[in-house]
Amino acid sequence: DAGVTQSPTHLIKTRGQQVTLRCSPKSGHDTVSWYQQALGQGPQFIFQYYEEEERQRGNFPDRFSGHQFPNYSSELNVNALLLGDSALYLCASIRRGPETQYFGPGTRLLVL
Amino acid sequence: TQLLEQSPQFLSIQEGENLTVYCNSSSVFSSLQWYRQEPGEGPVLLVTVVTGGEVKKLKRLTFQFGDARKDSSLHITAAQPGDTGLYLCAGSSGGSNYKLTFGKGTLLTVNP
Repeated sequence: DAGVTQSPTHLIKTRGQQVTLRCSPKSGHDTVSWYQQALGQGPQFIFQYYEEEERQRGNFPDRFSGHQFPNYSSELNVNALLLGDSALYLCASIRRGPETQYFGPGTRLLVL
Repeated sequence: TQLLEQSPQFLSIQEGENLTVYCNSSSVFSSLQWYRQEPGEGPVLLVTVVTGGEVKKLKRLTFQFGDARKDSSLHITAAQPGDTGLYLCAGSSGGSNYKLTFGKGTLLTVNP
């Protein structure tokens, strides 16, 4: 059983650019959440996708957007990158009943 | 806004010592999860506690959920260098809300 996979593992961008991060959840998991983890902090919830729709959103600007595909994989898009967007971006694959969230290895984004 | 406070923020101990990490909130959570995270990697789930007063053991790790489901603790007996890492607690409000609220984490270093 493959775990949660994310790509790319590392990414360097410059301010103002746009970035797309990808996530494939564990087999059978239909819900995906995205988190941002700044250095020295706990992960912060960005948004969650289920049935190809955004179901919940954290306190992030609409520069952050996402998508979920019919195979449950997901993308996180960030437009007009700022230096403060530099962080580890984590994808969580969710199993229901009882709720358990499994995290991928993350994508390390550096904005210069 | 739900917040989770973890203490201590940093902990450096010698191999063989015991330690306790605390996770406190003024909010009630339907479940609480503990994760361990290595540098540059995603959090790895250690345990999920659901019932107030619940105690779970995972080898040398003992997890407790407070009776009021507002707090939790992680106790490690006879710590080993392999226990080194960032320990994160995360609370869930339950239902169909799968958003996790994370503490800032406790960075544990176990010296040989």
